[in-house]
Amino acid sequence: NAGVTQTPKFRVLKTGQSMTLLCAQDMNHEYMYWYRQDPGMGLRLIHYSVGEGTTAKGEVPDGYNVSRLKKQNFLLGLESAAPSQTSVYFCASSYEGESYLSYEQYFGPGTRLTVT
Amino acid sequence: QQQVKQSPQSLIVQKGGISIINCAYENTAFDYFPWYQQFPGKGPALLIAIRPDVSEKKEGRFTISFNKSAKQFSLHIMDSQPGDSATYFCAASLNQGGKLIFGQGTELSVKP
Repeated sequence: NAGVTQTPKFRVLKTGQSMTLLCAQDMNHEYMYWYRQDPGMGLRLIHYSVGEGTTAKGEVPDGYNVSRLKKQNFLLGLESAAPSQTSVYFCASSYEGESYLSYEQYFGPGTRLTVT
Repeated sequence: QQQVKQSPQSLIVQKGGISIINCAYENTAFDYFPWYQQFPGKGPALLIAIRPDVSEKKEGRFTISFNKSAKQFSLHIMDSQPGDSATYFCAASLNQGGKLIFGQGTELSVKP
């Protein structure tokens, strides 16, 4: 099992450029999440999905779009990158269940994005 | 609005000492409180978690203490080791789509 994988690992963009980050999981998890991590801010939820074809806004959704066309994939898009979007982006997944065991989120290794 | 506040931001402990990280939350509807550990260049990973119906949970050298009336919980690392040097995040969940709300993080350094 590869768990949660993210592509690419690093990227440098110029202001105004667009890009898509790919997250893939092989654990058959229903729920998937995109976070950004900034110094002193912790992990902040951008968007999340509770199943194939569904998405919802998190705490900091502005400037990002997402799609979940396949259960195993969750894409994060930046349509017009801004320097404020310089960050480390993490994808995570969890399974749907009634026990507290289902609350555990499994994280990918992250994508370091710099916008100049 | 930060619903989970974590302190300190950084912590230096000698090998063998006790590391203590604190978190406070606002929403009494939270029903799950995990701690995640993150090593440099890696994604966070679940370390230990507690439910609000218990006051303490221990797993090896790691203990969560939970004070429901004060809306606070803390992570204690006994006999801290250099290998424990990492960033620690507390979090809380409302179980709405499995969402977690994270604290700001604590960078722990254990000196040999």
